[in-house]
Amino acid sequence: SQQGEEDPQALSIQEGENATMNCSYKTSINNLQWYRQNSGRGLVHLILIRSNEREKHSGRLRVTLDTSKKSSSLLITASRAADTASYFCATDAASGGSNYKLTFGKGTLLTVNP
Amino acid sequence: DTAVSQTPKYLVTQMGNDKSIKCEQNLGHDTMYWYKQDSKKFLKIMFSYNNKELIINETVPNRFSPKSPDKAHLNLHINSLELGDSAVYFCASSHTFTGELFFGEGSRLTVL
Repeated sequence: SQQGEEDPQALSIQEGENATMNCSYKTSINNLQWYRQNSGRGLVHLILIRSNEREKHSGRLRVTLDTSKKSSSLLITASRAADTASYFCATDAASGGSNYKLTFGKGTLLTVNP
Repeated sequence: DTAVSQTPKYLVTQMGNDKSIKCEQNLGHDTMYWYKQDSKKFLKIMFSYNNKELIINETVPNRFSPKSPDKAHLNLHINSLELGDSAVYFCASSHTFTGELFFGEGSRLTVL
């Protein structure tokens, strides 16, 4: 069953603006990850945040995690045209172990206009 | 060097045919996966293998048969292709059961 749901489905902004995408999930997790997918390409890992972490930064990316609300947000600051892509959150089930699998949401399509 | 490579990148075939997609990773990872991405970009896991052993089989029709000859390779064979099999199939690998996934570029399958 689908675990993560991103919101909004699509987001269009101007270069230089910030972009915020949200992800909600249903069951307890060990960690939550964000991936980027450029059109016609494979997914690329951006950042992983563990269930005991609340915030994490990587360059222009900032991820927050609220386990009480079962939600996460990805903020991209000072966006560039090259940030245009689909962004997916992915969660693993807290049971983990050899049944480890990432369950992906449907993604947010971000368009950054020059 | 490409970390996770899949072939072919594009596959167009008729209903009822059998086809295979191959995947290789040079990252030294123990675990490999097949994911299917539909036309709405929904990505769903199909199989995972750890050290050549099938770990996850997500209620995939038995027309789909994965094979892992060694831990660096995971192939996907599909029998009797149906229109609904049209999708992009992604191979991925990870080092552990908790880490990030490294994806291939995908194999776009079109069944006519």
